Amino acid sequence: DVKVTQSSRYLVKRTGEKVFLECVQDMDHENMFWYRQDPGLGLRLIYFSYDVKMKEKGDIPEGYSVSREKKERFSLILESASTNQTSMYLCACGQGPSGEQYFGPGTRLTVT
Amino acid sequence: RKEVEQDPGPFNVPEGATVAFNCTYSNSASQSFFWYRQDCRKEPKLLMSVYSSGNEDGRFTAQLNRASQYISLLIRDSKLSDSATYLCVVNSRSFQKLVFGTGTRLLVSP
Repeated sequence: DVKVTQSSRYLVKRTGEKVFLECVQDMDHENMFWYRQDPGLGLRLIYFSYDVKMKEKGDIPEGYSVSREKKERFSLILESASTNQTSMYLCACGQGPSGEQYFGPGTRLTVT
Repeated sequence: RKEVEQDPGPFNVPEGATVAFNCTYSNSASQSFFWYRQDCRKEPKLLMSVYSSGNEDGRFTAQLNRASQYISLLIRDSKLSDSATYLCVVNSRSFQKLVFGTGTRLLVSP
């Protein structure tokens, strides 16, 4: 089974702090994704990566950056956290033309 | 208009009932279609892919209608454990870039 792990299940940060969310997958998948999920809005793609050191903006990249130094690890960075970034953050990985993705357990981030 | 639209529900059904969800998508060039299941406070998990010819997995049947641009999921003989939110997902724009519906909530009661 594909296993995707995220560094924290719950995180509380203050406005203006720099926040790192880490994601690791163990199935050698090429593609990795960061989403946020909010009630009524569903999952929205923040950034994705097709390869090491490669990144592409998703639908809502403002206020976020990413890093992919190794194939198995994809980090999401909030340079200066704001209250409107309070959300559930989900990492996913996938491979192949079908587009199936496998998700980590999520990090519920609260910015106060 | 949202790219993928679903009725949010909730659909309240008794155990043993048959229930169906529909989902519409706006991009006629979409290539891949999926149903994911998400339990409360958990991550989404792939339930099944949806093929042009339709496909069945036990009590679950998925259908695709490209002409009308909708996808359906039928659940027969509902179980309490089927209570969850069902996400309609479309690969709409490019390889591996999925667009998620906001989900349909199903509640199965004894």
